[in-house]
Amino acid sequence: GAVVSQHPSWVICKSGTSVKIECRSLDFQATTMFWYRQFPKQSLMLMATSNEGSKATYEQGVEKDKFLINHASLTLSTLTVTSAHPEDSSFYICSAGTGYHANTEAFFGQGTRLTVV
Amino acid sequence: EDQVTQSPEALRLQEGESSSLNCSYTVSGLRGLFWYRQDPGKGPEFLFTLYSAGEEKEKERLKATLTKKESFLHITAPKPEDSATYLCAVQAGSSASKIIFGSGTRLSIRP
Repeated sequence: GAVVSQHPSWVICKSGTSVKIECRSLDFQATTMFWYRQFPKQSLMLMATSNEGSKATYEQGVEKDKFLINHASLTLSTLTVTSAHPEDSSFYICSAGTGYHANTEAFFGQGTRLTVV
Repeated sequence: EDQVTQSPEALRLQEGESSSLNCSYTVSGLRGLFWYRQDPGKGPEFLFTLYSAGEEKEKERLKATLTKKESFLHITAPKPEDSATYLCAVQAGSSASKIIFGSGTRLSIRP
């Protein structure tokens, strides 16, 4: 299957700082990328959908000014958690969609464990 | 409201003991149903996509089936390495990007 690389796999940051997470599709062009958040023993919650060259679409309840998403190219999307707080600690996962019906064949990155201290 | 419900929440089997995981859904206009495997601390690994009722797909010891209301993931003669959380997700509605995940089934296979 297609490969999606997410970096870093884990990060610890101080409260109030910002953290950037990268999501790359290595062997295909992803017109759409998705960002999810997962709490322990819970399922994935879609945060936002990003399309290359346009603004991301955020799910209800997700603060767009806090979770900045940039989809600069067909192979790279970034999620920046701004002014992070301990409650932002979570497992963040990206996925990339191929084809017109984005997410029909969606492949996930390895995830990023964010810990805010 | 679109919903995806997986059962059981957790399942412990003996090696070789076949069983099935359930994914029930209520969505408007199903575009596709997906099964993923997730190991602890890792992202989901794509297994199957099913598009219409009656469709079946197989991969090694796993077989996924779909009806108009639910999907089953059958696991035949499982091995300890099949232990993982299995996630079901649906893509529905007019928005091609909307995808809803179930809460998952934590499968544990004892040797």
